[in-house]
Amino acid sequence: NAGVMQNPRHLVRRRGQEARLRCSPMKGHSHVYWYRQLPEEGLKFMVYLQKENIIDESGMPKERFSAEFPKEGPSILRIQQVVRGDSAAYFCASSPLREDTQYFGPGTRLTVL
Amino acid sequence: QQQVKQSPQSLIVQKGGISIINCAYENTAFDYFPWYQQFPGKGPALLIAIRPDVSEKKEGRFTISFNKSAKQFSLHIMDSQPGDSATYFCAASRKNTGFQKLVFGTGTRLLVSP
Repeated sequence: NAGVMQNPRHLVRRRGQEARLRCSPMKGHSHVYWYRQLPEEGLKFMVYLQKENIIDESGMPKERFSAEFPKEGPSILRIQQVVRGDSAAYFCASSPLREDTQYFGPGTRLTVL
Repeated sequence: QQQVKQSPQSLIVQKGGISIINCAYENTAFDYFPWYQQFPGKGPALLIAIRPDVSEKKEGRFTISFNKSAKQFSLHIMDSQPGDSATYFCAASRKNTGFQKLVFGTGTRLLVSP
């Protein structure tokens, strides 16, 4: 059973461009979480999604950030018009049930030039 | 507002020694306290977790001690090995949100010297 997969592993964008981060949950997992880790800080919750539904997006900035988890395909975290402050590691986690253990992917390291 | 405070920021322990990492939380509604281990370039992996109905949980060389009245919990790594060198994060969540909305500490970078 493959683990949580994230791609790309590293992403470089210039200010003003768009960043798309993909997350494929573990097989059989229908709950996806996104976290952001700034340098030298812990992970901070951004959004929790189930298939086709955003359940809790209280940790996501109101502007420029969006997330989706379609019926088919990976979950996508989209950052529009990136700024230098968006540079961070973005981790996706998945779980089989709502309150189950979260399994993390290897992360996508976003660098904004 | 940081809800989970973790210390120390970094720790160096001799091989065979005991590594101790401490966390304190503020929200008394938290009822699930996991510890995650993260190696460079990897995602965090669940190491061990505890709920507040017990004061201690042990799994192999890893033990969580939990003090509900003090709102503190700690990770003890017995017989620390160089392979334990990693960053450790404590976290907390509360059940009545309907899912594990994990709040993480800032991490402790552990180095176990040979």
